[in-house]
Amino acid sequence: ELKVEQNPLFLSMQEGKNYTIYCNYSTTSDRLYWYRQDPGKSLESLFVLLSNGAVKQEGRLMASLDTKARLSTLHITAAVHDLSATYFCAVASRTGGGADGLTFGKGTHLIIQP
Amino acid sequence: DSGVTQTPKHLITATGQRVTLRCSPRSGDLSVYWYQQSLDQGLQFLIHYYNGEERAKGNILERFSAQQFPDLHSELNLSSLELGDSALYFCASSVAGATNEQFFGPGTRLTVL
Repeated sequence: ELKVEQNPLFLSMQEGKNYTIYCNYSTTSDRLYWYRQDPGKSLESLFVLLSNGAVKQEGRLMASLDTKARLSTLHITAAVHDLSATYFCAVASRTGGGADGLTFGKGTHLIIQP
Repeated sequence: DSGVTQTPKHLITATGQRVTLRCSPRSGDLSVYWYQQSLDQGLQFLIHYYNGEERAKGNILERFSAQQFPDLHSELNLSSLELGDSALYFCASSVAGATNEQFFGPGTRLTVL
């Protein structure tokens, strides 16, 4: 059974600081996704990581994937208040021919304070 | 706006009742996934339909069922509702391809009293 663990689950940080969210998963996968969710809202797709060593950046967010370590990171650079949200990583199972849904981590609730 | 639509936005009903949630995927997307989000279980995959056919099942209860119609919209039917079924229900759509990136609808918040 595929398991996805995120840490930390809760993070309070100051504007201007850097921090990293970690996502570990238990079985081999070649597709990893990061989503953002604002309170009471839907999930917004941030990054799709498809191969070992993949790195993607959008603004102050950068995501990377190490398939050998089964680890993805979401790095926040010089945080701003607008980045306050819950961030989820999700992994696609290799079984089921790619038809299975995503397995999500519990999410990291990020609060950025002035 | 992801392009995925869901109705209704909110639904309040009583235990033992049956409800139907509706989802329209993005134009051109053949896959529809259903997910449940609750405080205790987190986000869980329920079921996947592709072009009208069921492709995969996740943690979907026997009281729940889904279908995808020829126009590609999908419905999730929840019956014999229990208090624990109260949750946010999302559908997501994707176009088959290398990324299989899923785009989520706004969700239906179900409250069972």
